[in-house]
Amino acid sequence: GESVGLHLPTLSVQEGDNSIINCAYSNSASDYFIWYKQESGKGPQFIIDIRSNMDKRQGQRVTVLLNKTVKHLSLQIAATQPGDSAVYFCAENRQGNEKLTFGTGTRLTIIP
Amino acid sequence: DTGVSQDPRHKITKRGQNVTFRCDPISEHNRLYWYRQTLGQGPEFLTYFQNEAQLEKSRLLSDRFSAERPKGSFSTLEIQRTEQGDSAMYLCASSLEDTQYFGPGTRLTVL
Repeated sequence: GESVGLHLPTLSVQEGDNSIINCAYSNSASDYFIWYKQESGKGPQFIIDIRSNMDKRQGQRVTVLLNKTVKHLSLQIAATQPGDSAVYFCAENRQGNEKLTFGTGTRLTIIP
Repeated sequence: DTGVSQDPRHKITKRGQNVTFRCDPISEHNRLYWYRQTLGQGPEFLTYFQNEAQLEKSRLLSDRFSAERPKGSFSTLEIQRTEQGDSAMYLCASSLEDTQYFGPGTRLTVL
């Protein structure tokens, strides 16, 4: 069936280093992808999105890369800070389908 | 703060009771979504409104669940005859176009 999955459930990174969180998706019809950050007890917080007609998009300290050939999405966080510790979800949908399909998430821990 | 608010933030109820949750979306957003999230999992889609019309419902939304958005603004999600398996975080999101912004969620515990 359709799925959006993550390669690694946990990731620990030294403060100040860069983090890369990966995500694989299986639905080749997906054309919109989003990364969310979720802290404990809170709702998912929008970080960055990308459409299938793009390969890369940059925000403040974050970059999303999309490789449609292998159906792979990544989130790069530059110069990680303690406040980046959270669970990160990728999600996808396709035009005409309003629901987002989420993966199970990657827990990012920043080591001081 | 995304602007989506949910009430209550926490609800503890006994099995068999009915519960109702409220979501207030960002004011200019015409689309409103409900999701359910269990521990360690990503959110799962339940239902979606465009203005006051409920346009899509997941198979997860059993007959005990009902959602309304009577005036195209706030929405309510009611669960009747709650079961222990209903224990989860219920998330509301709203959007104007593609990007969905989530509220803080209502954590339901069914004893």
